[in-house]
Amino acid sequence: DAGITQSPRHKVTETGTPVTLRCHQTENHRYMYWYRQDPGHGLRLIHYSYGVKDTDKGEVSDGYSVSRSKTEDFLLTLESATSSQTSVYFCAISELSSGPNTDTQYFGPGTRLTVL
Amino acid sequence: DAKTTQPPSMDCAEGRAANLPCNHSTISGNEYVYWYRQIHSQGPQYIIHGLKNNETNEMASLIITEDRKSSTLILPHATLRDTAVYYCIVRVGGSARQLTFGSGTQLTVLP
Repeated sequence: DAGITQSPRHKVTETGTPVTLRCHQTENHRYMYWYRQDPGHGLRLIHYSYGVKDTDKGEVSDGYSVSRSKTEDFLLTLESATSSQTSVYFCAISELSSGPNTDTQYFGPGTRLTVL
Repeated sequence: DAKTTQPPSMDCAEGRAANLPCNHSTISGNEYVYWYRQIHSQGPQYIIHGLKNNETNEMASLIITEDRKSSTLILPHATLRDTAVYYCIVRVGGSARQLTFGSGTQLTVLP
């Protein structure tokens, strides 16, 4: 399995509080992603990173910010959590190559966030 | 990314081969077929992918028809731990962008 860890694995917080989720990888992959998964919606991309300090928005980026100050860490921040951000958050990594493993994304174990 | 169609659910007896079909009739020449699975409450797990040739790894085999309009994921000896939702995804390789998961197939391996 790819070396991806997420912390915390579970968190309960209150509306209006800031929350930061961390994704850490040991694979030295260039690309990192944050997805959220909700019933009836599947996985939706929040933000992604294509290098240190290089990030871009995904499909559902409103209310979220990200930072990547080093290759191995990708942080997702909810500046002021809302109940609609209750979800399971997955981090993924990938690396482009010219070989058969082109762009395969590997996922972390997930963080279950509840906003009361 | 090309649209995919999968049956919503399938059952398989433990120890038997599980054959999961996927239709992707609008696939383009530069699009790969990827398979992932998600066991309840866990992160999606990459299984295998291919372009036009059949592929095999330690987890599964992928059979792609000659016209590339459909494919089959084969788990040769299914175990109870293979119970999961299986997703067939068609996308351009080397694009480093969002993976779009459809509804997938709920595979239940029965004892």
